[in-house]
Amino acid sequence: AQSVTQLDSQVPVFEEAPVELRCNYSSSVSVYLFWYVQYPNQGLQLLLKYLSGSTLVKGINGFEAEFNKSQTSFHLRKPSVHISDTAEYFCAVPYNTNAGKSTFGDGTTLTVKP
Amino acid sequence: EPEVTQTPSHQVTQMGQEVILRCVPISNHLYFYWYRQILGQKVEFLVSFYNNEISEKSEIFDDQFSVERPDGSNFTLKIRSTKLEDSAMYFCASSAMGGGTDTQYFGPGTRLTVL
Repeated sequence: AQSVTQLDSQVPVFEEAPVELRCNYSSSVSVYLFWYVQYPNQGLQLLLKYLSGSTLVKGINGFEAEFNKSQTSFHLRKPSVHISDTAEYFCAVPYNTNAGKSTFGDGTTLTVKP
Repeated sequence: EPEVTQTPSHQVTQMGQEVILRCVPISNHLYFYWYRQILGQKVEFLVSFYNNEISEKSEIFDDQFSVERPDGSNFTLKIRSTKLEDSAMYFCASSAMGGGTDTQYFGPGTRLTVL
Protein backbone atom coordinates (compact mmCIF):
# COMPACT_ATOMS: atom_id res chain seq x y z
CA ALA A 1 0.00 0.00 0.00
CA GLN A 2 1.04 3.57 -0.62
CA SER A 3 0.86 6.54 1.71
CA VAL A 4 1.50 10.27 1.61
CA THR A 5 2.50 12.75 4.27
CA GLN A 6 1.91 16.45 3.90
CA LEU A 7 4.47 18.17 6.05
CA ASP A 8 2.70 21.49 6.61
CA SER A 9 -0.85 21.82 7.84
CA GLN A 10 -0.99 25.57 7.24
CA VAL A 11 1.03 27.82 4.95
CA PRO A 12 0.40 31.56 5.12
CA VAL A 13 2.00 33.63 2.39
CA PHE A 14 1.72 37.12 0.97
CA GLU A 15 0.33 37.77 -2.48
CA GLU A 16 2.87 37.52 -5.32
CA ALA A 17 5.30 35.56 -3.12
CA PRO A 18 6.45 32.07 -4.12
CA VAL A 19 5.07 29.07 -2.28
CA GLU A 20 5.99 25.42 -1.81
CA LEU A 21 3.64 22.84 -0.33
CA ARG A 22 5.45 19.71 0.71
CA CYS A 23 4.41 16.12 0.18
CA ASN A 24 6.40 12.97 0.90
CA TYR A 25 5.27 9.54 -0.18
CA SER A 26 6.08 5.95 0.67
CA SER A 27 5.73 3.20 -1.87
CA SER A 28 7.17 -0.18 -2.68
CA VAL A 29 5.88 -0.18 -6.26
CA SER A 30 5.57 2.21 -9.18
CA VAL A 31 4.29 5.55 -8.01
CA TYR A 32 1.62 7.78 -9.38
CA LEU A 33 1.07 11.03 -7.51
CA PHE A 34 -1.64 13.65 -7.64
CA TRP A 35 -2.26 17.11 -6.24
CA TYR A 36 -5.84 18.29 -5.72
CA VAL A 37 -7.18 21.67 -4.71
CA GLN A 38 -10.35 22.25 -2.71
CA TYR A 39 -11.71 25.79 -2.73
CA PRO A 40 -14.06 26.74 0.11
CA ASN A 41 -17.38 24.90 -0.11
CA GLN A 42 -16.38 23.14 -3.30
CA GLY A 43 -15.27 19.67 -4.35
CA LEU A 44 -11.79 18.49 -5.22
CA GLN A 45 -10.23 19.59 -8.47
CA LEU A 46 -7.16 17.95 -9.98
CA LEU A 47 -4.21 20.35 -10.20
CA LEU A 48 -1.68 17.98 -11.73
CA LYS A 49 -0.49 14.41 -11.71
CA TYR A 50 2.75 12.50 -12.14
CA LEU A 51 2.55 9.18 -13.92
CA SER A 52 5.97 8.72 -15.55
CA GLY A 53 8.50 10.54 -17.70
CA SER A 54 9.58 14.07 -16.91
CA THR A 55 9.89 14.65 -13.20
CA LEU A 56 8.67 18.24 -13.51
CA VAL A 57 4.93 18.30 -13.96
CA LYS A 58 3.02 21.42 -14.88
CA GLY A 59 -0.58 21.83 -13.87
CA ILE A 60 -3.38 24.30 -13.96
CA ASN A 61 -3.36 27.79 -12.46
CA GLY A 62 0.44 28.11 -12.77
CA PHE A 63 1.24 25.30 -10.34
CA GLU A 64 3.98 22.75 -10.90
CA ALA A 65 5.39 19.85 -8.93
CA GLU A 66 8.62 17.92 -9.03
CA PHE A 67 8.83 14.20 -8.49
CA ASN A 68 12.00 13.32 -6.59
CA LYS A 69 12.48 9.58 -6.25
CA SER A 70 15.59 9.74 -4.08
CA GLN A 71 13.87 12.00 -1.57
CA THR A 72 10.45 10.37 -2.05
CA SER A 73 8.90 13.78 -2.46
CA PHE A 74 6.39 15.48 -4.72
CA HIS A 75 6.37 19.11 -3.63
CA LEU A 76 3.95 21.58 -5.19
CA ARG A 77 5.21 25.03 -6.16
CA LYS A 78 4.00 28.28 -7.58
CA PRO A 79 6.35 31.19 -8.27
CA SER A 80 3.80 33.92 -7.52
CA VAL A 81 0.53 33.30 -5.71
CA HIS A 82 -2.75 35.18 -5.93
CA ILE A 83 -5.45 35.76 -3.35
CA SER A 84 -7.60 33.34 -5.34
CA ASP A 85 -5.13 30.51 -4.60
CA THR A 86 -6.36 30.44 -1.01
CA ALA A 87 -7.64 26.88 -0.61
CA GLU A 88 -6.93 23.44 0.83
CA TYR A 89 -4.41 21.38 -1.11
CA PHE A 90 -4.24 17.60 -0.98
CA CYS A 91 -1.52 15.27 -2.13
CA ALA A 92 -2.84 11.84 -3.09
CA VAL A 93 -1.62 8.48 -4.32
CA PRO A 94 -3.60 5.62 -5.83
CA TYR A 95 -3.80 2.60 -3.57
CA ASN A 96 -2.06 0.64 -6.30
CA THR A 97 -1.57 0.92 -10.02
CA ASN A 98 -4.73 -1.00 -10.81
CA ALA A 99 -7.07 0.58 -8.34
CA GLY A 100 -8.75 3.89 -8.81
CA LYS A 101 -9.17 4.55 -5.13
CA SER A 102 -6.79 7.11 -3.72
CA THR A 103 -5.16 7.72 -0.39
CA PHE A 104 -5.07 11.38 0.53
CA GLY A 105 -2.73 13.35 2.74
CA ASP A 106 -4.02 15.41 5.63
CA GLY A 107 -4.13 18.54 3.50
CA THR A 108 -2.36 21.89 3.59
CA THR A 109 -4.31 25.09 4.01
CA LEU A 110 -2.77 27.79 1.86
CA THR A 111 -3.77 31.29 2.93
CA VAL A 112 -2.68 34.11 0.65
CA LYS A 113 -2.70 37.52 2.32
CA PRO A 114 -2.83 40.86 0.51
CA GLU B 1 -17.23 20.91 -19.63
CA PRO B 2 -18.93 17.84 -18.16
CA GLU B 3 -19.01 17.64 -14.39
CA VAL B 4 -20.12 15.42 -11.56
CA THR B 5 -23.17 16.72 -9.72
CA GLN B 6 -24.44 15.82 -6.27
CA THR B 7 -27.71 16.38 -4.46
CA PRO B 8 -28.58 17.60 -1.97
CA SER B 9 -25.81 20.00 -1.11
CA HIS B 10 -26.70 19.74 2.58
CA GLN B 11 -28.70 17.05 4.35
CA VAL B 12 -29.71 17.20 7.99
CA THR B 13 -31.09 14.06 9.57
CA GLN B 14 -31.84 12.54 12.95
CA MET B 15 -29.69 9.75 14.31
CA GLY B 16 -31.05 6.37 13.27
CA GLN B 17 -32.70 7.65 10.11
CA GLU B 18 -31.86 6.46 6.62
CA VAL B 19 -30.36 8.87 4.10
CA ILE B 20 -29.69 8.59 0.41
CA LEU B 21 -27.06 10.77 -1.19
CA ARG B 22 -27.31 11.14 -4.92
CA CYS B 23 -24.71 11.66 -7.60
CA VAL B 24 -24.78 12.01 -11.35
CA PRO B 25 -21.36 11.00 -12.71
CA ILE B 26 -19.93 12.18 -16.00
CA SER B 27 -21.96 10.44 -18.67
CA ASN B 28 -19.33 8.31 -20.42
CA HIS B 29 -17.49 7.30 -17.24
CA LEU B 30 -17.58 3.71 -16.07
CA TYR B 31 -16.06 3.83 -12.58
CA PHE B 32 -17.68 5.49 -9.63
CA TYR B 33 -16.49 6.26 -6.15
CA TRP B 34 -17.62 7.64 -2.83
CA TYR B 35 -15.28 9.39 -0.44
CA ARG B 36 -15.98 11.16 2.81
CA GLN B 37 -14.28 13.97 4.67
CA ILE B 38 -15.04 14.46 8.33
CA LEU B 39 -14.66 18.13 9.27
CA GLY B 40 -11.00 19.00 9.65
CA GLN B 41 -9.79 15.58 8.60
CA LYS B 42 -8.45 14.00 5.44
CA VAL B 43 -10.50 12.70 2.54
CA GLU B 44 -11.13 8.97 2.99
CA PHE B 45 -12.04 6.37 0.40
CA LEU B 46 -15.31 4.54 1.00
CA VAL B 47 -16.14 2.45 -2.06
CA SER B 48 -15.59 2.00 -5.77
CA PHE B 49 -18.19 0.65 -8.16
CA TYR B 50 -17.93 -0.76 -11.66
CA ASN B 51 -20.20 -2.80 -13.88
CA ASN B 52 -23.01 -2.67 -11.34
CA GLU B 53 -21.04 -4.08 -8.48
CA ILE B 54 -18.68 -2.98 -5.76
CA SER B 55 -15.07 -3.42 -6.85
CA GLU B 56 -13.42 -2.27 -3.64
CA LYS B 57 -14.48 -0.95 -0.26
CA SER B 58 -12.72 0.34 2.81
CA GLU B 59 -13.18 -0.76 6.39
CA ILE B 60 -15.36 2.31 6.89
CA PHE B 61 -17.91 0.93 4.41
CA ASP B 62 -19.69 -1.45 6.76
CA ASP B 63 -23.12 -3.04 6.53
CA GLN B 64 -24.94 0.22 7.16
CA PHE B 65 -23.68 1.56 3.82
CA SER B 66 -24.81 0.51 0.37
CA VAL B 67 -24.41 1.85 -3.14
CA GLU B 68 -26.56 1.52 -6.18
CA ARG B 69 -26.80 2.64 -9.75
CA PRO B 70 -30.58 2.58 -10.08
CA ASP B 71 -30.62 3.83 -13.66
CA GLY B 72 -28.22 4.90 -16.38
CA SER B 73 -27.32 8.20 -14.81
CA ASN B 74 -27.57 8.18 -11.01
CA PHE B 75 -25.20 6.68 -8.45
CA THR B 76 -26.42 6.64 -4.86
CA LEU B 77 -24.97 6.10 -1.41
CA LYS B 78 -27.41 4.90 1.23
CA ILE B 79 -26.71 5.02 4.93
CA ARG B 80 -29.22 2.76 6.58
CA SER B 81 -29.19 3.96 10.16
CA THR B 82 -27.19 7.12 10.59
CA LYS B 83 -24.90 7.70 13.54
CA LEU B 84 -23.52 10.96 14.86
CA GLU B 85 -20.09 10.02 13.54
CA ASP B 86 -21.46 9.79 10.00
CA SER B 87 -21.58 13.58 9.92
CA ALA B 88 -19.18 14.51 7.15
CA MET B 89 -18.87 15.83 3.62
CA TYR B 90 -19.48 13.03 1.14
CA PHE B 91 -17.88 13.29 -2.29
CA CYS B 92 -18.83 11.32 -5.33
CA ALA B 93 -16.25 10.85 -8.09
CA SER B 94 -16.13 9.18 -11.45
CA SER B 95 -13.44 8.16 -13.90
CA ALA B 96 -13.37 6.81 -17.40
CA MET B 97 -10.98 3.91 -16.96
CA GLY B 98 -10.61 3.14 -13.28
CA GLY B 99 -6.91 2.45 -13.06
CA GLY B 100 -4.42 4.17 -10.83
CA THR B 101 -3.38 6.56 -13.58
CA ASP B 102 -6.85 7.71 -14.41
CA THR B 103 -8.12 11.10 -13.31
CA GLN B 104 -11.05 11.06 -10.95
CA TYR B 105 -13.53 13.89 -11.29
CA PHE B 106 -15.12 14.92 -8.03
CA GLY B 107 -18.51 16.40 -7.36
CA PRO B 108 -19.04 19.38 -5.06
CA GLY B 109 -20.06 17.16 -2.16
CA THR B 110 -23.03 16.67 0.14
CA ARG B 111 -22.64 17.85 3.68
CA LEU B 112 -24.42 15.36 5.96
CA THR B 113 -25.27 16.50 9.46
CA VAL B 114 -26.59 13.86 11.86
CA LEU B 115 -28.28 15.25 14.97
